[in-house]
Amino acid sequence: DGGITQSPKYLFRKEGQNVTLSCEQNLNHDAMYWYRQDPGQGLRLIYYSQIVNDFQKGDIAEGYSVSREKKESFPLTVTSAQKNPTAFYLCASSFSHSGTGGYEQYFGPGTRLTVT
Amino acid sequence: GQQLNQSPQSMFIQEGEDVSMNCTSSSIFNTWLWYKQDPGEGPVLLIALYKAGELTSNGRLTAQFGITRKDSFLNISASIPSDVGIYFCAGNNNAGNMLTFGGGTRLMVKP
Repeated sequence: DGGITQSPKYLFRKEGQNVTLSCEQNLNHDAMYWYRQDPGQGLRLIYYSQIVNDFQKGDIAEGYSVSREKKESFPLTVTSAQKNPTAFYLCASSFSHSGTGGYEQYFGPGTRLTVT
Repeated sequence: GQQLNQSPQSMFIQEGEDVSMNCTSSSIFNTWLWYKQDPGEGPVLLIALYKAGELTSNGRLTAQFGITRKDSFLNISASIPSDVGIYFCAGNNNAGNMLTFGGGTRLMVKP
């Protein structure tokens, strides 16, 4: 059963602690993405990775870090430097573009992080 | 950065009514995607459009890729309560694999 999994669904942390969110996909997709969604808002890109061992900053990368050691996995660390970390975090994946088409991104179920 | 203007921001309709929402851009896109997000869940891809003028259906949903390549429309016919959620448009304009997302249309259906 192919898809994207994110764990946990809900995460609670104290201010000042780093926390890592998991994202795994078995769709054989090359590219993976992390988005942040705040209540009533759209999606903002944090980081993306087109290929293993390579990743780029998105629009709001400050206070976050990622790694891409395996094709299937793209964990996101929310560091204590992130000033407002409470949000809904979404992971997505897609094939790398080749010719026409191939831009569809498929999303995981999300992780709701609450920092107090 | 680029923006997609999605309207309306929210809609409150009666069950059985048809729904229309749209997405516009100041620049050309070569791909338009429409997603639906249920509360507390990730967005689910509904329809993908790749050619200007393309009209594609998925059940009661129909989406069109505008001929100017700067807009797209999503229509839902005979709405039902489970249509409730947030609908997002997204576009690609050859910026690698990156998608630009609209702000979403929140749909509420009154039984």
